Amino acid sequence: DTGVSQNPRHKITKRGQNVTFRCDPISEHNRLYWYRQTLGQGPEFLTYFQNEAQLEKSRLLSDRFSAERPKGSFSTLEIQRTEQGDSAMYLCASSFSLETQYFGPGTRLLVL
Amino acid sequence: GENVEQHPSTLSVQEGDSAVIKCTYSDSASNYFPWYKQELGKGPQLIIDIRSNVGEKKDQRIAVTLNKTAKHFSLHITETQPEDSAVYFCAASLGGTASKLTFGTGTRLQVTL
Repeated sequence: DTGVSQNPRHKITKRGQNVTFRCDPISEHNRLYWYRQTLGQGPEFLTYFQNEAQLEKSRLLSDRFSAERPKGSFSTLEIQRTEQGDSAMYLCASSFSLETQYFGPGTRLLVL
Repeated sequence: GENVEQHPSTLSVQEGDSAVIKCTYSDSASNYFPWYKQELGKGPQLIIDIRSNVGEKKDQRIAVTLNKTAKHFSLHITETQPEDSAVYFCAASLGGTASKLTFGTGTRLQVTL
C-alpha cells in the first residue's frame, strides 16, 4: 500500500511528558501537512512543508510544538510538556504540489 | 482568515433516498473545494472535489455544485446505501502557496434500512 502512513496509531502519555509522531507521505509527494482534530470537529491546520521547507505555521502551533521534515520525505511532530488540552487526533496529509491532499489514518493522543 | 460553515450537523435518510449537505465559505478568493468522508477511527478520505472555474462535478452517485456568487457549495449523494453512513466534511482552500484546507464542522450521515 502506498498511502500516507502514521506512527504510532495511538499514544497515551502523562501530562508533562514529550511525545513524537511520525508521518510518511506518499512517495514523491513534495507537500506534507499536519492537522489536529478534536472530537466532533473538523481537522484544523497546524503546519505544512514543501520539500524540507516549513512554509506556514498556524497560531494553534504553540512553542511546545515543533515539526520537521529534514530530508523532504518523512516528517515528525513533537509536542513538549504535553497538556490535557493536547489530546486529539493528529492527522498528516500529503500532496504533489497544488493537487489533492491525501490523509493518513492519524495518531490519536490521550494526555492523562 | 477563511471560515467554513456546514449544515446540517446530522442527517438521517432511508436507503435509496438522496442526501444533501451544504457549506458556505467566507473568503471570495478561495478556489478549491474538496469533500471528505471520515469513518470512525480513520483519517478523512477524499470523495470529490471542485475548483472555482467549474460549477458542477459528478462522479457516479456523488455530485458537488458550486455557486461562487453566493459563496456556497453542496454535496449531493443519490441512491444512498448503508455504507454511505459516515461523517462528511467540506473544506475550502485559497490554493497556490496558501493551500491549507479550512474544514467545516462535519455532517454525520446515517442511512437507515
